[in-house]
Formats: sequence, structure tokens, C-alpha cells
Amino acid sequence: GENVEQHPSTLSVQEGDSAVIKCTYSDSASNYFPWYKQELGKRPQLIIDIRSNVGEKKDQRIAVTLNKTAKHFSLHITETQPEDSAVYFCAGGSGKFYFGSGTKLNVKP
Amino acid sequence: DGGITQSPKYLFRKEGQNVTLSCEQNLNHDAMYWYRQDPGQGLRLIYYSQIVNDFQKGDIAEGYSVSREKKESFPLTVTSAQKNPTAFYLCASSPRTGDYYGYTFGSGTRLTVV
Repeated sequence: GENVEQHPSTLSVQEGDSAVIKCTYSDSASNYFPWYKQELGKRPQLIIDIRSNVGEKKDQRIAVTLNKTAKHFSLHITETQPEDSAVYFCAGGSGKFYFGSGTKLNVKP
Repeated sequence: DGGITQSPKYLFRKEGQNVTLSCEQNLNHDAMYWYRQDPGQGLRLIYYSQIVNDFQKGDIAEGYSVSREKKESFPLTVTSAQKNPTAFYLCASSPRTGDYYGYTFGSGTRLTVV
């Protein structure tokens, strides 16, 4: 099956800086890559996603890039704010998804 | 709860006891999933169902069982065969598998063995 790896496990940035989280996947059949944000004790919420036929997608301060050849994709958050602090999960697959181990992002005011 | 409801929010299980976690959705989604989340780890797939009366094992199905008798409901039973059941359990649904749809998650059930 699919294997999704995520780095770093923790990330601390100053408010206003950018944050980048990287993931790799193993199954070339995976065609959809969602990103989820999970605040403490709450359910994961979909924040952005990308399909395998697209290289980049942007939504305000959040962007995701996908390199199918290298089998990696990344989440970019610009102008970070304290409310961006949470655990972020990448996922990949086709239908059912395999999740990365999560990145705990801490944005310091 | 965003169209997908899990209950109870907290559950305590005694050794050797079976417990059932409820998951109900009113989104008219065909596919439903159960994931387990351990502290500091990602989500691991337990079981999933693409259609009523059909379900498939995920990566960590041992010690768990499910049923899908109705489209809206996908209960998960944690049996006594599951040796380390303490975890946060998340149910999710999507319109169907094989398409570009992300999940909608429930709010989770935190299971603790006492």
C-alpha cells in the first residue's frame, strides 16, 4: 500500500514568517493529496488539496505544490499568524488515504 | 457536527470487554472510514466501506469489527482481542472512493482502557 512520510515533526516560526511542510509518497497510483489542520482535541479539517494533474494550488496564504516525478508535495503557509498553530497532516491516495505522521506548527507572537 | 456525528465523546473500557463506537452521517456519502490516532502519530486506517453491506480491512483491522447495514451508519466494535485499544478514534466519510474528494471527519471518540 501507500506510505506517506512527513517532515518536520515540529516547526516553530515567528509570526509573519513562512512555514513549509514536506511530504513524500510511495505509490505512483495516488492521485489526490489533501492537507488537514487539527487543533488540540478537535477533528481534522481540510484546508487545501491538490490533484495529481496539477502542479500548484494556492488559497490566500496557503499553497501546495506537487512533484509527481519525485513523489513529493509540500504545504506553504505565508505570513503566519498565531491562529495557524496546530498539527498539520498530509495525506495521499486514491479514494482511501494514508496520512503522514503530522507536523506540530507553533507560531510565536 | 458538520453532518457526521460520533458518540460517545469519551468511552472507558474494562479489560476483556467489547465496546461499540457510533458513527452517523447525514451527508448522503457512499464511503465511510475508521481511523485510529495515537499521541504524536498520524492516522491509521482500521476499516472502510464504499457501499452498504460491504467493507474492507485497513492496515490495522485486527481486534476490530464493523458493519454497514445502512448508508448513514458505520459502527466500530473494539473487541477484547485488541490488546492496546486506548486511542482517539476518528470516523470520516466522503461522497465516494476513487474520486477527488477529501474526507469530512467526525469529532472523534477517545477510548480509554481502565
